[in-house]
Amino acid sequence: DAGVIQSPRHEVTEMGQEVTLRCKPISGHDYLFWYRQTMMRGLELLIYFNNNVPIDDSGMPEDRFSAKMPNASFSTLKIQPSEPRDSAVYFCASSFAGELFFGEGSRLTVL
Amino acid sequence: EDQVTQSPEALRLQEGESSSLNCSYTVSGLRGLFWYRQDPGKGPEFLFTLYSAGEEKEKERLKATLTKKESFLHITAPKPEDSATYLCAVQAGAAGNKLTFGGGTRVLVKP
Repeated sequence: DAGVIQSPRHEVTEMGQEVTLRCKPISGHDYLFWYRQTMMRGLELLIYFNNNVPIDDSGMPEDRFSAKMPNASFSTLKIQPSEPRDSAVYFCASSFAGELFFGEGSRLTVL
Repeated sequence: EDQVTQSPEALRLQEGESSSLNCSYTVSGLRGLFWYRQDPGKGPEFLFTLYSAGEEKEKERLKATLTKKESFLHITAPKPEDSATYLCAVQAGAAGNKLTFGGGTRVLVKP
């Protein structure tokens, strides 16, 4: 298996622009997670899905953030409008029975 | 709210100098404690899961142990390739499969 695949790996954008991050989980995994990592706050859970249904979105910072999982093999995290404080590495992870498997991350820089 | 605290924040070791990393946690109903390794520019990579106090797991130069309040990751005779950030996370209660992470310990092993 190719593992969890994220795109883009790097994104540089200007404040106010829309950003869409994409994730393909490992086939057969029924949980999908979006985490954000910064030096100040470490790894924070934003939202997670079980069988494509959002279970807990309490970590989503504000209404500018939204996430969807239209099918078992694809998820998106959208930020609109983006702000400089959204600059971070965003990780997608999937799991089936306990441990989470992470993608390589999407490094977002908002100028 | 689940809390995970790792210490020290950073550790500099000489090659061959054994040491231990600490992960203390406060959770309601621990279901599992996880250790991950993260290399710069990469996603966290799963190392171990511990489920109950007294359990131990080993992998090469790494050994993880668990008590009711904390976990230790022992690095025996480390090599430069063991340099990485080591992350501890807990899975607790009825919180689905989500993990709550500590801030990590950055380990640098000098030859």
